[in-house]
Amino acid sequence: KQEVTQIPAALSVPEGENLVLNCSFTDSAIYNLQWFRQDPGKGLTSLLLIQSSQREQTSGRLNASLDKSSGRSTLYIAASQPGDSATYLCAVKSISSNTGKLIFGQGTTLQVKP
Amino acid sequence: EAQVTQNPRYLITVTGKKLTVTCSQNMNHEYMSWYRQDPGLGLRQIYYSMNVEVTDKGDVPEGYKVSRKEKRNFPLILESPSPNQTSLYFCASSFVSGSYNSPLHFGNGTRLTVT
Repeated sequence: KQEVTQIPAALSVPEGENLVLNCSFTDSAIYNLQWFRQDPGKGLTSLLLIQSSQREQTSGRLNASLDKSSGRSTLYIAASQPGDSATYLCAVKSISSNTGKLIFGQGTTLQVKP
Repeated sequence: EAQVTQNPRYLITVTGKKLTVTCSQNMNHEYMSWYRQDPGLGLRQIYYSMNVEVTDKGDVPEGYKVSRKEKRNFPLILESPSPNQTSLYFCASSFVSGSYNSPLHFGNGTRLTVT
């Protein structure tokens, strides 16, 4: 059974720092992995989607990498800003499960201090 | 504007009183799904639909029903709500073609309280 873990659960950094959020999964047979952002009381916003054949995706100050063999993905945020404060979740679509199932990690809550 | 619309945003009800949470998307997506989010448990999938008239159970389907009569709508039905269904509910949709899917679009959520 696929399990997705995000460590740490919370992270606080000063503004301007580059930072890395981690996501690990137990079954490397995946179709894709997505990173989402969730602001308090709001829905999730998709940040980046990496297909299983890709190694990374970039959008602005965000870069997500995927290493299927080790069951890991990282989300790199460059030059962090207070507006980046939110909870970041990763989700995996496994080949072994029904094609419609997504498994989410519990998220990392990021606080960027001015 | 491309979006997933859920209604209502907030709902307080009593045990046993049937309710429906609506979800509609305007992106012609095949795939739609319902999740609930609870502190310490994260996001858990309730039901999903790969296309019209095709629905399947997620990880926590007990106590819920869904239907997909039209491509754009995917209502969540609680026939006899109980307090353990108090939660924040999200609807989501995406384009699907074989093993490929586009990024998942989420609604803004429905906060349900069952007393």
